[in-house]
Amino acid sequence: SAVISQKPSRDICQRGTSLTIQCQVDSQVTMMFWYRQQPGQSLTLIATANQGSEATYESGFVIDKFPISRPNLTFSTLTVSNMSPEDSSIYLCSVEDTGTGRGGAFFGQGTRLTVV
Amino acid sequence: GNSVTQMEGPVTLSEEAFLTINCTYTATGYPSLFWYVQYPGEGLQLLLKATKADDKGSNKGFEATYRKETTSFHLEKGSVQVSDSAVYFCALTEGTGGFKTIFGAGTRLFVKA
Repeated sequence: SAVISQKPSRDICQRGTSLTIQCQVDSQVTMMFWYRQQPGQSLTLIATANQGSEATYESGFVIDKFPISRPNLTFSTLTVSNMSPEDSSIYLCSVEDTGTGRGGAFFGQGTRLTVV
Repeated sequence: GNSVTQMEGPVTLSEEAFLTINCTYTATGYPSLFWYVQYPGEGLQLLLKATKADDKGSNKGFEATYRKETTSFHLEKGSVQVSDSAVYFCALTEGTGGFKTIFGAGTRLFVKA
């Protein structure tokens, strides 16, 4: 299993500002995933981050709004840029369960973001 | 594309009642199937999984069987407890493109004492 630490756990931000969320894993992983969970909703994949390459974004998400860094095999950041109240969500970092070789994921505790 | 459909909630049960949360999927190829649980105020936890047809995943009294013929992965528990109150997400991973996980909408379960 993998232990994932996310920072901050929650934040309240002013509209128009940016917030960077950090995700630290206790083991080296090839792929890291960033999800958004809007209030009362399911999880939506934002992007997949591989070390040493550009992140791959899902439809509806763009790099200018959600820039991602992946400097090494245990760490990634997601920035939510130029925030608006619609960005209020829980943002979760995830890594694949490489033990099974067939996916499934471990999740961080999430970052609860409120934009006012 | 691939998708997951699960029964709408909330589901309200009395303690020791039998639980079924339905989940069906649409997928090309042979996905792995999962149930995740999110307890109030907490992150997401993997509850159980099945990686091929007819596999049964089980954990903490919960079970689900991968049924390829009906494209289903229904979650069951014989006797629920108040502590099982949570949101349950059915999900699948697609192997192409690196094990992306696609989630159902989630089903909220309330268990009354």
